[in-house]
Amino acid sequence: KAGVTQTPRYLIKTRGQQVTLSCSPISGHRSVSWYQQTPGQGLQFLFEYFSETQRNKGNFPGRFSGRQFSNSRSEMNVSTLELGDSALYLCASSLFTGVGNTEAFFGQGTRLTVV
Amino acid sequence: AQSVTQLGSHVSVSEGALVLLRCNYSSSVPPYLFWYVQYPNQGLQLLLKYTSAATLVKGINGFEAEFKKSETSFHLTKPSAHMSDAAEYFCAVSAWDGGATNKLIFGTGTLLAVQP
Repeated sequence: KAGVTQTPRYLIKTRGQQVTLSCSPISGHRSVSWYQQTPGQGLQFLFEYFSETQRNKGNFPGRFSGRQFSNSRSEMNVSTLELGDSALYLCASSLFTGVGNTEAFFGQGTRLTVV
Repeated sequence: AQSVTQLGSHVSVSEGALVLLRCNYSSSVPPYLFWYVQYPNQGLQLLLKYTSAATLVKGINGFEAEFKKSETSFHLTKPSAHMSDAAEYFCAVSAWDGGATNKLIFGTGTLLAVQP
C-alpha cells in the first residue's frame, strides 16, 4: 500500500513569507502528527490531528498552525517565516487506537530552507 | 512526564562487529518504547517496538532490543554490523499517559558509522 506522502520535498522561502506543507496519510489512517527536525533541537512534536480535530499541540509559537481535512489529509502552515524555521518537517500517520503502542509511519519529509 | 536519553551521539563499529546503541527512559506509566532508523534525506522507519508483550523484542534487519525495567533501559543491538546499517538511530517513548495521543518523544539520536 502507498506510504505517507509529503509535498513538496524541498522548499526555499524568504524571511517573512508564509508556507504551507501537505501530508497525505496512509489510506485508512485517521491520525496525523507533525514533527520538526533540526540539528540543534532534534525531533520536536508540533501537533497531532484526528478526525479533523487537533488532539495535541507542542510548544511552538502561534505562527505554526495546522489542520486536517475530512479525507485525513493534513496541512501545516508557518507564517512570518524566520531563519530558525529552517528544518526538516516530518509527517506521521497512525491508526488511532487511543493507546500509546500504535506504530507511526513517517513520510520522507519536507526540507524547508528560509533565506 | 516521559523522556528518553540516548548515550553517545556518535558510535563507530567495524563491519561484522557488535552494534550496541544505548537508550534509557523515564516514564510515569508503563512505557511504550520504539527504535526508529533514519537514512540521509529520508523519513523515519520503525525498527522495533516494546509494548509489554515480551522483554526481548526482535525487529527488522537483524536488530533487537531488550527492555530492562530495573535499569530503565531499552538498548538496541545487532550481532554483526553491515555497511548498510550506517544511519541515525532514534529511541522514542510514547507520551501516552492514559489520554488519547500518538505523540512520540524522541531521544537526540545516535549516528552509527560502520567501518570496512
